[in-house]
Amino acid sequence: EAGVAQSPRYKIIEKRQSVAFWCNPISGHATLYWYQQILGQGPKLLIQFQNNGVVDDSQLPKDRFSAERLKGVDSTLKIQPAKLEDSAVYLCASSPVGYPGETQYFGPGTRLLVL
Amino acid sequence: DQQVKQNSPSLSVQEGRISILNCDYTNSMFDYFLWYKKYPAEGPTFLISISSIKDKNEDGRFTVFLNKSAKHLSLHIVPSQPGDSAVYFCAATNPRNTPLVFGKGTRLSVIA
Repeated sequence: EAGVAQSPRYKIIEKRQSVAFWCNPISGHATLYWYQQILGQGPKLLIQFQNNGVVDDSQLPKDRFSAERLKGVDSTLKIQPAKLEDSAVYLCASSPVGYPGETQYFGPGTRLLVL
Repeated sequence: DQQVKQNSPSLSVQEGRISILNCDYTNSMFDYFLWYKKYPAEGPTFLISISSIKDKNEDGRFTVFLNKSAKHLSLHIVPSQPGDSAVYFCAATNPRNTPLVFGKGTRLSVIA
């Protein structure tokens, strides 16, 4: 079974530029999560989708971050414009159903550096 | 305000000995706890979990202990192996209203 795929693996941009990350979850998984992991911190949930609907986006900085999962499968996370403090690893995860505590399967992440 | 705290950023243990990783939480509503393991350049992978109705859960070399009154849990790895060297994240959730909340992680180094 293929795991969660993410691209790109690395991205370097200048502040005020835009960037987009892509995630393809495990086939059949209804729930998709985007996390931000700043160096030295644990992952922090940005947004959770159940199929193509948003379950929780309370920690998403909506003035600059947006995410979509239009067909309930893959997803994109966009930052526009980027700030220095957005430098982090962006992790995508998926789970079969989405109940709290359900095992989440993580992708390798996209490491973003904003200069 | 950190709701899940891993106060030891790093831990070194000799191969074959026991590794004990600690985690404290402040939110008394948390009732399900998980440990994830992360290797460099990979995403975290699920290791073991425990519900608040239990005080111990064991899976092979890995055992998690939960002390609800102290709001403390610990992960025991016995015996430790070099392949266990990774960052370990403690995470907690409450099925009613919170997403998974992660600690900052503890980097375990198992020395051969």
